[in-house]
Amino acid sequence: KAGVTQTPRYLIKTRGQQVTLSCSPISGHRSVSWYQQTPGQGLQFLFEYFSETQRNKGNFPGRFSGRQFSNSRSEMNVSTLELGDSALYLCASRLGSGNTIYFGEGSWLTVV
Amino acid sequence: DQQVKQNSPSLSVQEGRISILNCDYTNSMFDYFLWYKKYPAEGPTFLISISSIKDKNEDGRFTVFLNKSAKHLSLHIVPSQPGDSAVYFCAGEGGSEKLVFGKGTKLTVNP
Repeated sequence: KAGVTQTPRYLIKTRGQQVTLSCSPISGHRSVSWYQQTPGQGLQFLFEYFSETQRNKGNFPGRFSGRQFSNSRSEMNVSTLELGDSALYLCASRLGSGNTIYFGEGSWLTVV
Repeated sequence: DQQVKQNSPSLSVQEGRISILNCDYTNSMFDYFLWYKKYPAEGPTFLISISSIKDKNEDGRFTVFLNKSAKHLSLHIVPSQPGDSAVYFCAGEGGSEKLVFGKGTKLTVNP
């Protein structure tokens, strides 16, 4: 059974640009969540989607957005990139509430 | 407001000995706790979890203990192996569909 798949794995963007990251959850998993990992702040929750609806959102500015498609695949978008957005962005999926959360390998974003 | 704290940034143990990683939390609403292991440039890998109604859960070499009155949990790895060297994160979940992570403890197991 394939795990959580994230693309691209690595990317470099310039300040002011926007970026879209993609996530394919484990087959059958309907909940997808996104986390940001930085050296200073650790792992922080961005948002969670279930059946195409955002159920929960972390404390991030509106430049961070996401969506989920009918096949449970998810994308997150960051607009007007800032240097501080450089981080590892992790996608995670779970079958449903109360089930274990499984993470993908992450997308490394560098903003220059 | 750090709801989950891992006060030891690093821990070094000898192969074959016990590794004890500690975690404290402040949010009484957490009803589930999880431990993840993370290698550089990879996503976190689920290790073991414990429900707040239990005080111990064991899976092979890994045991998690929960002390609700002290709001403290610990992960025991026995015996420790060099392949266990990684960063370990504890996380709490309280029905909001999100995990709140500690900042991690880097474990080094020396051969």
